[in-house]
Amino acid sequence: EVQLVESGGGLVQPGESLRLSCAASGFTLSGYSMSWVRQAPGKGLEWVSYISSSSATILYADSVKGRFTISRDNAKNSLYLQMNSLRADDTAVYYCTRESGYAFDIWGRGTVVTVSS
Amino acid sequence: QSALTQPPSASGSRGQSVTISCTGSSSDVGAYNFVSWYQQHPGKAPKLMIYEVSKRPSGVPDRFSGSKSGNTASLTVSGLQADDEADYYCSSYAGSNPWVFGGGTKLTVL
Repeated sequence: EVQLVESGGGLVQPGESLRLSCAASGFTLSGYSMSWVRQAPGKGLEWVSYISSSSATILYADSVKGRFTISRDNAKNSLYLQMNSLRADDTAVYYCTRESGYAFDIWGRGTVVTVSS
Repeated sequence: QSALTQPPSASGSRGQSVTISCTGSSSDVGAYNFVSWYQQHPGKAPKLMIYEVSKRPSGVPDRFSGSKSGNTASLTVSGLQADDEADYYCSSYAGSNPWVFGGGTKLTVL
């Protein structure tokens, strides 16, 4: 079964850091570009970051540029998101997604990140 | 404010059809045939329903169809069923700001 499972979310204070992980199974991660998409409580979806299959191309939303870093380890079939200088408006469910044909065809269940003092 | 504009709500009776619009600009919806639609039930992850404007992934019923005219894309759900009640989000590839989403439409099946 094709599956993505996120982990690493939690409650942190403003200014702190968090590292999210996403484990892929049922397919070879190295064959796909990946993205993180987030959803603030009661709000819509927001694309956060993208990484190509070989990590040659990395993109960020303006809202996280300079604070978040996306990476991947194809040998471990894993995707990561390092989040630094977290702010209250980063509070959201963070989804790991597989990109295919400019659409997100596989989604994980998400991991909750709460930034609050 | 979302980059793509969707009506906040839509409704239809069981068996009827409903169409949800998604209005963008010449930089996103109007520029690329990479519009996708996602269904999200409460507390669940989004699910891809339509990609490349009108293509359906394997397993998505043909009751779901997509189209585009100019800067506006549309999702039509025909033969409404109770399980179609969910939030629907459109998305478009947008080049330099790669992906933009709509604010979502809550579909109610009466």
